[in-house]
Amino acid sequence: NAGVTQTPKFRILKIGQSMTLQCAQDMNHNYMYWYRQDPGMGLKLIYYSVGAGITDKGEVPNGYNVSRSTTEDFPLRLELAAPSQTSVYFCASRDRGRVGAFFGQGTRLTVV
Amino acid sequence: AQSVTQPDIHITVSEGASLELRCNYSYGATPYLFWYVQSPGQGLQLLLKYFSGDTLVQGIKGFEAEFKRSQSSFNLRKPSVHWSDAAEYFCAVGAGGGGADGLTFGKGTHLIIQP
Repeated sequence: NAGVTQTPKFRILKIGQSMTLQCAQDMNHNYMYWYRQDPGMGLKLIYYSVGAGITDKGEVPNGYNVSRSTTEDFPLRLELAAPSQTSVYFCASRDRGRVGAFFGQGTRLTVV
Repeated sequence: AQSVTQPDIHITVSEGASLELRCNYSYGATPYLFWYVQSPGQGLQLLLKYFSGDTLVQGIKGFEAEFKRSQSSFNLRKPSVHWSDAAEYFCAVGAGGGGADGLTFGKGTHLIIQP
């Protein structure tokens, strides 16, 4: 089915390890987003991209990096994992000129 | 800066009863408003959206919401809830059209359905 696909669904990291959360969409959407969700806090925007090669910081970018080499993929990189990065991460996409974003199923990350 | 307030962290409703979830927003321009639902362990699903026109919007699963500019509100309603409506509900505000900015979410309202 068409949509936003995130991998992995679950991951446990040790402090200081690095990892990449993958996000792919097959709807040819221009805009893609990474959010984190913490209990009782709603979702906070980490980074977003308006197209291949263009990324920008959101509200909580510290400790993360992104790249957008293709329209379809928007990976999120954690270089030195910290306990504060324990969260559920959601990738989303939408088409320019349209309202409402499509969300992936999320990646639950625990840093111990 | 834009913000969204959902005053109720938890709401408990009996099955078959009516529901209203509150949402107040702060946004500098004409807002694009959304309600999303999140079932346990799942991603977010768009229930409905408003950006212009009729202030009463219909969404999926029998939900509707009313935009009231004078009150800066966008409350979600359903006339009769079902046990399957138990979930987390998020109100969000953001740009649509050409604007790429992401959404600003409220903290969510957890809906509990009593038998």
